[in-house]
Amino acid sequence: AQSVTQLDSHVSVSEGTPVLLRCNYSSSYSPSLFWYVQHPNKGLQLLLKYTSAATLVKGINGFEAEFKKSETSFHLTKPSAHMSDAAEYFCVVSRMEYGNKLVFGAGTILRVKS
Amino acid sequence: DTGVSQDPRHKITKRGQNVTFRCDPISEHNRLYWYRQTLGQGPEFLTYFQNEAQLEKSRLLSDRFSAERPKGSFSTLEIQRTEQGDSAMYLCASSLGTGTTGANVLTFGAGSRLTVL
Repeated sequence: AQSVTQLDSHVSVSEGTPVLLRCNYSSSYSPSLFWYVQHPNKGLQLLLKYTSAATLVKGINGFEAEFKKSETSFHLTKPSAHMSDAAEYFCVVSRMEYGNKLVFGAGTILRVKS
Repeated sequence: DTGVSQDPRHKITKRGQNVTFRCDPISEHNRLYWYRQTLGQGPEFLTYFQNEAQLEKSRLLSDRFSAERPKGSFSTLEIQRTEQGDSAMYLCASSLGTGTTGANVLTFGAGSRLTVL
């Protein structure tokens, strides 16, 4: 079975400070991992993806994530938060054997304070 | 092509009524997915199509739910005899699947929000 656990349901940071959104996954085989972001009343948008190439993945809007197999983690980071980063973030795992369907974590709501 | 389109964006219905949602994927995408998202949860997989073939259905998809993709382009999701528990956001996504290689990146629509009274 495969699943993802997002360790924080809510994260609050001040504008200009670093962002860390934590994700652990479980998968019997090498998974593909993604982070998606969902702004209110908008569709899910892909931030970045890991597909067994470089373990440090850079995405859009200054976000990046590091795949750590030994820790089964795929945490999302950003050096400096912006007000526009306030949204809900989903860590997602996929396996080709399952038709590439995505399995989503429960989400982390990021709040950015001015 | 501006992405994945879903219609209607919002639907309020009374318990027991039937509802139908439509999804228009990105035109060159051969795979189409339906997900359901309830408050405070991540999206949950319902079903997916490769071209017109429905290849997998989740156990979440009871016999009151039916999805079609008759010509391998747009898709419809119909819910018969709606129940209050069906209230959720129904998300459609599409992708260009190329066999079993590569990571399958899904593009999502904005969703259709269903409220069953």
